Amino acid sequence: DGGITQSPKYLFRKEGQNVTLSCEQNLNHDAMYWYRQDPGQGLRLIYYSQIVNDFQKGDIAEGYSVSREKKESFPLTVTSAQKNPTAFYLCASSIGGAQETQYFGPGTRLLVL
Amino acid sequence: GENVEQHPSTLSVQEGDSAVIKCTYSDSASNYFPWYKQELGKRPQLIIDIRSNVGEKKDQRIAVTLNKTAKHFSLHITETQPEDSAVYFCAANSRSNTPLVFGKGTRLSVIA
Repeated sequence: DGGITQSPKYLFRKEGQNVTLSCEQNLNHDAMYWYRQDPGQGLRLIYYSQIVNDFQKGDIAEGYSVSREKKESFPLTVTSAQKNPTAFYLCASSIGGAQETQYFGPGTRLLVL
Repeated sequence: GENVEQHPSTLSVQEGDSAVIKCTYSDSASNYFPWYKQELGKRPQLIIDIRSNVGEKKDQRIAVTLNKTAKHFSLHITETQPEDSAVYFCAANSRSNTPLVFGKGTRLSVIA
């Protein structure tokens, strides 16, 4: 998991603003994932990508967008359409599909001003 | 799709006692079951996993058991220590190209 980095560690969003969370991995993993975690709650899947230039919606994709232009990078944009974005955002990656272990990044905590 | 139920949601044990967390899954095709530990404000980290071709796996004080017939798997922590206090998540896979499905987590408190 040391090969996955997320930035920034804390992010503040103003009303109506889009913000982008960075996720980079140097593990040569094909699959990458974004999860949202609310206080005291579990992990909810936002988007995932099994391969470059392809991604699928998870359980709570509304108000979020992603891109996967490079194998190493899977940025998440929280749009103004996401009305309750305050949460802890975790990125993960795995070698291949769901048969393989997911390794998590350190997370980004998003707060609304 | 896969559904994973995790119990209990909170668990308090005295230091030195054992802790058991149980998960059930719905998809009989599932064959990979990892367990993650998440300390406060940190990332989830894999602590042990099991594949469906074995019934039990141990790593020092941690063990996982799998009952494919009943579709449940359990995490066992023996000789608990205060540093075992954390939230534990179980997960299971489903079809090979869909992400892991996570349980809602168990908050374990080890009381010294």
